[in-house]
Amino acid sequence: EPEVTQTPSHQVTQMGQEVILRCVPISNHLYFYWYRQILGQKVEFLVSFYNNEISEKSEIFDDQFSVERPDGSNFTLKIRSTKLEDSAMYFCASSVRRDNQPQHFGDGTRLSIL
Amino acid sequence: GENVEQHPSTLSVQEGDSAVIKCTYSDSASNYFPWYKQELGKRPQLIIDIRSNVGEKKDQRIAVTLNKTAKHFSLHITETQPEDSAVYFCAAFYNQGGKLIFGQGTELSVKP
Repeated sequence: EPEVTQTPSHQVTQMGQEVILRCVPISNHLYFYWYRQILGQKVEFLVSFYNNEISEKSEIFDDQFSVERPDGSNFTLKIRSTKLEDSAMYFCASSVRRDNQPQHFGDGTRLSIL
Repeated sequence: GENVEQHPSTLSVQEGDSAVIKCTYSDSASNYFPWYKQELGKRPQLIIDIRSNVGEKKDQRIAVTLNKTAKHFSLHITETQPEDSAVYFCAAFYNQGGKLIFGQGTELSVKP
């Protein structure tokens, strides 16, 4: 069964540094998402992406965040200048279509900011 | 606003008993309600979903019910097994932006 894959599984970074989290969505999916989960808390929406554009972003997704689909397979989340509170698990998800469709999650990247 | 409330936050049952987790949502336009199971340190895994054109859906020991009028939906697990122990999240699809809004999660513990 096809899966969403994410790399790295764990990223440790000094505060103020840039990080790029990578995702390979399921190949025939057209809609891509990033969510984050602070330890012990619920999953929170960050951003949705379709046709090389952001569809929606949450309040969390400020100017320090950006997303990109640099080629036909990868989907990246960049945090330009990390803060301690960015420490969380970041999940990428994808779906075939937008409305009322299952979103399939990757295994996540655990981001630790020191 | 966009909100999904989930109860209880923790649930402990004996093996073989049933478990019920309840959620309410705020946006009456929501039409899709998935449930995810998350084991410690792993991805949220879709276990069942329901669309607003049906009131109930069942898959083996798992069932989900939806009351659109009351904006409630529930997960029912029958004949629970220790491997059902995990955190369960409900979610509602919000058409604005095509995003899932998750509940706070229920930590289910099934004791042998």
